[in-house]
Amino acid sequence: GESVGLHLPTLSVQEGDNSIINCAYSNSASDYFIWYKQESGKGPQFIIDIRSNMDKRQGQRVTVLLNKTVKHLSLQIAATQPGDSAVYFCAENTGTYKYIFGTGTRLKVLA
Amino acid sequence: DAGITQSPRHKVTETGTPVTLRCHQTENHRYMYWYRQDPGHGLRLIHYSYGVKDTDKGEVSDGYSVSRSKTEDFLLTLESATSSQTSVYFCAISERSSSGGREQYFGPGTRLTVT
Repeated sequence: GESVGLHLPTLSVQEGDNSIINCAYSNSASDYFIWYKQESGKGPQFIIDIRSNMDKRQGQRVTVLLNKTVKHLSLQIAATQPGDSAVYFCAENTGTYKYIFGTGTRLKVLA
Repeated sequence: DAGITQSPRHKVTETGTPVTLRCHQTENHRYMYWYRQDPGHGLRLIHYSYGVKDTDKGEVSDGYSVSRSKTEDFLLTLESATSSQTSVYFCAISERSSSGGREQYFGPGTRLTVT
């Protein structure tokens, strides 16, 4: 499949360990954030979202943390599995039609 | 997957030819988008639609036009394809979530190569 990004930062994690992927967002007016997972040759897959009135939100094996003071977002994946290998990127939204996307981090899960 | 399909999934075309990509959705979403994805860049918005016959430009709209004559279909046309338009094109929809955010979901993508 095609490469989402040839020179993406890469996070290598041992299977079973926890992964933390970070994202710095750009607009202090952004009030809604989404994390996506993108596997090679596929479209971005919605994982979890968070609004700016929250600091933390949990899903199934994933947690998103939001620090508005430093404009930072993180995605934590518990007990990382081989199927988690993909590119992960964040998106920010100010409540309009416009979304701003990060370039992503490649997660490699080591057996 | 929010019921989004794209066609074709792969296309190779020659410089100077017109190309139309189709996005089809089955869930009556009002907002639809076309993005391109290139190495080293985040997804970049080409055009979006906020209703039938209501469209507007995104950040990289030059050389592209869109049409939406029905809620379910959003067409992207490259009027005269150039090599710089070689890319992967994604269609997306957005909808209000119960928490008040605007969730956005993507189609599977179309890989376009302009030779």
